[in-house]
Amino acid sequence: QSVVTQSPSASGTPGQRVTISCSGSSSNIGSNFVCWYQQLPGTAPKLLIYKNDQRPSGVPDRFSGSKSGTSASLAISGLRSEDEAVYYCVGWDDSLSGVVFGGGTKLTVL
Amino acid sequence: QVQVVQSGGEVKKPGASVKVSCKASGYTFTSYGISWVRQAPGQGLEWMGWISGYNGNTNYAHKFQGRVTMTTDKSTRTTYMELRSLRSDDTAVYYCARDRICGDRACYWFDPWGQGTLVTVSS
Repeated sequence: QSVVTQSPSASGTPGQRVTISCSGSSSNIGSNFVCWYQQLPGTAPKLLIYKNDQRPSGVPDRFSGSKSGTSASLAISGLRSEDEAVYYCVGWDDSLSGVVFGGGTKLTVL
Repeated sequence: QVQVVQSGGEVKKPGASVKVSCKASGYTFTSYGISWVRQAPGQGLEWMGWISGYNGNTNYAHKFQGRVTMTTDKSTRTTYMELRSLRSDDTAVYYCARDRICGDRACYWFDPWGQGTLVTVSS
């Protein structure tokens, strides 16, 4: 059981906006930044968001991140079929002195 | 371009050790670290630890302390992850990823990732 939790699944239709949430505590999300990764089927994960809300070059602006208190969110607007993937939030936990991954949210595009 | 390339898949017996390599190119090796992340079949991602490309300092997840060793060779820009006393539940794809240096620890800002190395532990 991870100290950072995500809903196991989410879904949306093409063009829709979906939000994936990540919940933690004061020792992880509450005191450190969050990154988000996208893992397409059969491939290595890819960085989507770093430092809560920053997008690396090449990541479409349809993807956006935010953080408030001990929770973080990834929003995907203009949903496309190719967005169907598992999304992971990641943070640092001060109590564990280590990196903690959320369990992942599988996004289905209906 | 910036990339990290891993060694090939391994099959090991329980109790053995495995050493996976990760060769970096396209960036200043000593300005970054390398993190190792594994993924068991059908499961999520699990961080194992980090090593600094600058001074070789390490930061291991509690779960793996005593069983994992990460080393780095600046001359060949290669990082190694050795896992000992393998068990069947160590069967997973092991990824290395370029990471930043945050103070003297992992930054979990993994970009890019290697292609993954499947380690199978079976008698």
